[in-house]
Amino acid sequence: DTAVSQTPKYLVTQMGNDKSIKCEQNLGHDTMYWYKQDSKKFLKIMFSYNNKELIINETVPNRFSPKSPDKAHLNLHINSLELGDSAVYFCASSLGLAGTDTQYFGPGTRLTVL
Amino acid sequence: QKEVEQDPGPLSVPEGAIVSLNCTYSNSAFQYFMWYRQYSRKGPELLMYTYSSGNKEDGRFTAQVDKSSKYISLFIRDSQPSDSATYLCAMSWGAGGTSYGKLTFGQGTILTVHP
Repeated sequence: DTAVSQTPKYLVTQMGNDKSIKCEQNLGHDTMYWYKQDSKKFLKIMFSYNNKELIINETVPNRFSPKSPDKAHLNLHINSLELGDSAVYFCASSLGLAGTDTQYFGPGTRLTVL
Repeated sequence: QKEVEQDPGPLSVPEGAIVSLNCTYSNSAFQYFMWYRQYSRKGPELLMYTYSSGNKEDGRFTAQVDKSSKYISLFIRDSQPSDSATYLCAMSWGAGGTSYGKLTFGQGTILTVHP
C-alpha cells in the first residue's frame, strides 16, 4: 500500500519539450508539496497546496505549473524544459500546514533533460 | 549564505562506530528540528524530530539541539551497514505562525558504514 506515489519514476526528454509528473497520496492528508533535489542532494521546496489551494510558491520559473484536481492529487507540468531542470522531483504530503506535521515523501521522479 | 548548512561529506566509518552528523542554521525563527534519512534512489523519511534545546534519544539515535549556538546534531551509536544513507537535517518555524509547512533542508550528509 503505497502512501505517496509518483509517475513516472524516470523521465528522459529533449530540451524544449513539455512534460508532466503525477502524484497521488492515499493518506487522507490535506497538504501536498513538490520538492526539487539537485545533483548535490540539496532538497528545496517548490510548491505546497492545502485543500487544493496554492499556499507556497517559491521562486520557481513560470514554466513550472502545479495543479491539484483534488486533495489526493498534485501534478506538476513543466513547459519548455531546460538542461537545468534535470533533477529528482519529490512529491510529499502532510496532515496539514503546521511545520510540525510529518511530511511523507514519494519515491521521486528522476528527470533528465538532454 | 544558505539558511541551513550541512557538511555533505561523504563520511565513511567502520561498523560499530559512533557517527556524528551536524547542521548549523542562521534563522532564529526555526523552532522545530528534524532529521530525515534518504536511502539511495528513495524518498526521504523522517527519522527524528525535536522542539527544544537538549537531547532526544530513540534507540541508537540521539538528536541534540543547541538553540543558543544554532547548532543541531544527530548521533548514531553502534552504526550498522544498514545505516548507510544520506542524512538530511530540516527545520521549520514550528506549529503556528506562517510557516505553512515549509521545511528548509540542509544539503545532506552521505554516510557509508562498511562491515
